[in-house]
Amino acid sequence: AQSVTQLDSQVPVFEEAPVELRCNYSSSVSVYLFWYVQYPNQGLQLLLKYLSGSTLVKGINGFEAEFNKSQTSFHLRKPSVHISDTAEYFCAVLKGGYQKVTFGIGTKLQVIP
Amino acid sequence: DAGVIQSPRHEVTEMGQEVTLRCKPISGHNSLFWYRQTMMRGLELLIYFNNNVPIDDSGMPEDRFSAKMPNASFSTLKIQPSEPRDSAVYFCASSLKEMNTEAFFGQGTRLTVV
Repeated sequence: AQSVTQLDSQVPVFEEAPVELRCNYSSSVSVYLFWYVQYPNQGLQLLLKYLSGSTLVKGINGFEAEFNKSQTSFHLRKPSVHISDTAEYFCAVLKGGYQKVTFGIGTKLQVIP
Repeated sequence: DAGVIQSPRHEVTEMGQEVTLRCKPISGHNSLFWYRQTMMRGLELLIYFNNNVPIDDSGMPEDRFSAKMPNASFSTLKIQPSEPRDSAVYFCASSLKEMNTEAFFGQGTRLTVV
């Protein structure tokens, strides 16, 4: 079975400060990894994805994530956050060969002016 | 493209009533997913279809829930009878690639059962 752990339920950070949202997964086989963002009263929107190749993945809105196979992690980072980044962020994993995407519980990012 | 369209956006119903949620996927997408989001359980996959055929419904909580996809452009999720614990936001998502490497979500239906 695969699972996704987002270690922080809420992360407050000041505007223009860097942020890291943590994600760990468990799976014995190869996986695809995703980060989605959900703005208030909206659906989820894909930020970035790791399928293969370079372990550093760049996404929209200045976000990036690094796949670390040995630590089974896929942490999301941004060097300088904006007020508009206030949202909930979901890490997700898709096991190779299946269509079922498992989401983490989500991390609420609160950017403080 | 208008994206994935869900209706209604909000639904308030009394316990015991039938509720039908609707979804129009993005044109050309061949996979469709129904998710439920709650504070306690996060995002749960209820069921997904591939080429209009239900592939995995193991996430459907109980027999009160049913989903159909009569054609490539329409799907419904029905709850009969509804219960207060069904209150949640229900999302529909669709994807083009069979491996679901990128799913596009609708804006969700917020269901409240009183």
